[in-house]
This record gives sequence, C-alpha cells and structure tokens, in this order.
Amino acid sequence: GAVVSQHPSWVICKSGTSVKIECRSLDFQATTMFWYRQFPKQSLMLMATSNEGSKATYEQGVEKDKFLINHASLTLSTLTVTSAHPEDSSFYICSARDSSHLKRHNYGYTFGSGTRLTVV
Amino acid sequence: DAKTTQPTSMDCAEGRAANLPCNHSTISGNEYVYWYRQIHSQGPQYIIHGLKNNETNEMASLIITEDRKSSTLILPHATLRDTAVYYCILYNFNKFYFGSGTKLNVKP
Repeated sequence: GAVVSQHPSWVICKSGTSVKIECRSLDFQATTMFWYRQFPKQSLMLMATSNEGSKATYEQGVEKDKFLINHASLTLSTLTVTSAHPEDSSFYICSARDSSHLKRHNYGYTFGSGTRLTVV
Repeated sequence: DAKTTQPTSMDCAEGRAANLPCNHSTISGNEYVYWYRQIHSQGPQYIIHGLKNNETNEMASLIITEDRKSSTLILPHATLRDTAVYYCILYNFNKFYFGSGTKLNVKP
C-alpha cells in the first residue's frame, strides 16, 4: 500500500533555532500533502496544504512565516519551524494522497508516523 | 471545521464486537464518511470509508443510515491492539478535518 515516510521521528532543538521536517511519499506521487499538529491529548489540527510547485495554503490562525512549507517535488514536502519556541513543541504529522487514487480502494490519505518536536 | 460528533470514550471487552457511533447530521451529498484510528504516538491509520452503502473490509464494517446523518463503525472481534482513538471524518476530496474522536479501550 501507499507509504508516507516522515523524518526525523523525533527532534530536540534549542529555543530560537529552526527545525526542518521531511515528508516523503515512497511509492506514489502526491501533488498535495497536508501538515497537521497535535498537542497532547488533543486531536489533529490541520495547519496547511502543501501544493507541488506552488505556494502552500495555510489554515486560519497558522503563521506562514513561522511554519515554512516547501513542496519541491511530487514525493517530498518539508515543514520548517522557524525560530522555534517551547510552545511549538508538538507532534507534527503529514499526509499525502496518491494522485492516481483510482487504482486503490482507499481514496483517502495516507499519514506519516509523525515527528515529535521538543523545543528546550 | 469538523462536522462530526463522537462519544469521548468507550469500553469494549476483548473478543466482543466494538460499535463506535458517529453523528454527521449536516453531511452533504458528495461527502464520504471516513474512519481512521490513531494508536498512541503514531500517525492515523485508514480503516474504512463509504458514501451511502454499508461497507466491509478485513478490518471493520461501516454501517451508514439511510438518511446518512449517522454511521457506526464495527470492529467484529476487538483485540487489545485495537485500543486507539477512532476518528470519523467527512471528506469531499478536499481536506481532512479531524474531530475529537472516540477513545476505545479494549479490556481483557
């Protein structure tokens, strides 16, 4: 089945530094990927839509200059948390949909295993 | 933007069927009902989806009411590994917005 790989699975960084998280679709092409954030004991919150070859679109209340998204190829999207602060500590999850979705019974999205970010 | 309502938590005995309800009274005609689950500290896992007919796969069954305003996910023989948060999501080939989900506790 469709596989989405996220890297790193966990990262600890100092306050004020930037952290890049990668999301790759391993066996399919994805023109669209999504980035979510999840705080402890809460649900996933959609942050932004990553579009291959164009600018990302952000959900209301998400700072685009804080969370930089780049989708340079059909298999890779990156999320960079800039000038990270302790309140940015969270579980970040990406998802992608096979552009040729009709070949699979699952018309939905495949999720990565997530990245645990801790800012100290 | 989540348009679904689910109970916060449910308990189920191991080996018994787990029936997880979801209300989506404002569902529109082109929206599918999707179910995902999230085991602690992992990414969500696809379970099943449907439009208006009942669906079954190797993991679960999905029962959608005739008016499509509610649905039930059925895990026929729950195991301890099915302990997770289960999310019911409406999807129209746009975005997935997660609601609060149901924490299913499968007990020995």
